[in-house]
Amino acid sequence: NAGVTQTPKFQVLKTGQSMTLQCAQDMNHEYMSWYRQDPGMGLRLIHYSVGAGITDQGEVPNGYNVSRSTTEDFPLRLLSAAPSQTSVYFCASSLDRVTAGELFFGEGSRLTVL
Amino acid sequence: GDSVTQMEGPVTLSEEAFLTINCTYTATGYPSLFWYVQYPGEGLQLLLKATKADDKGSNKGFEATYRKETTSFHLEKGSVQVSDSAVYFCALTTRGDSNYQLIWGAGTKLIIKP
Repeated sequence: NAGVTQTPKFQVLKTGQSMTLQCAQDMNHEYMSWYRQDPGMGLRLIHYSVGAGITDQGEVPNGYNVSRSTTEDFPLRLLSAAPSQTSVYFCASSLDRVTAGELFFGEGSRLTVL
Repeated sequence: GDSVTQMEGPVTLSEEAFLTINCTYTATGYPSLFWYVQYPGEGLQLLLKATKADDKGSNKGFEATYRKETTSFHLEKGSVQVSDSAVYFCALTTRGDSNYQLIWGAGTKLIIKP
C-alpha cells in the first residue's frame, strides 16, 4: 500500500520558472490538501479539495494553482516561482471532509527557488 | 478565532524520563483534538486523537486526555526512548462553512539523549 506519493522529493528552480508538484494517493480518499512547512511558521494550508472537480483556497493560496480531475491525483502548480516559495511542501489526504483531521501525509517535496 | 498553543521547544530529556508536552486550545463548539509526530526528514503521522471531552487517546505509549474544563490536550509518555526524538504537533478540527479544517500548533521539538 503506497499511501500518499509525492514527486519530486527535491527541486531547485530559478525565479520565474514554473513547475508542478505531483501528489497521488491510492486509498480512495475524497479529501486532499497541500501544505507548506517553513521554520518558525508551522504548517500552512495552501489549497484543498473535498472531491474530484472541487478545489478551494486555504490560508496561503497566492502563487499556487491546483486541480482535481481524478480522485487519486492532486497536483500543485507554481506558475512563476519566487524565492518566497522556497519551502517543504506536503500533500495530505483523508477519507472525507468529516475526517479531515485524520490526515495521511506524503514524505514531502523540498523546493528551493534561487 | 480558533487556535492551538503548544509549549515552545526544544524539549531535551534523558532516555527513560517522563515526558509532558503542553497543548491548550481555543475553540467554539466541540472540536476534535489530535497529536501528530514528524520524524526527521519525513512527513507527519497521526499519533493519537480524541473526539469528545474526557476521551483519552493513546498510541505507542503516548497518551493525551481531552480536558474541556482546562481546554487542554497535553501529550504524555512515561518513559521516552531516543527513537521518540521528533517534532510533535497538536491540532484541532473545527467546523466552519461545512468544511472541517485543521488548526495547527507551532510544533514542539523533542530531543532524547541516551
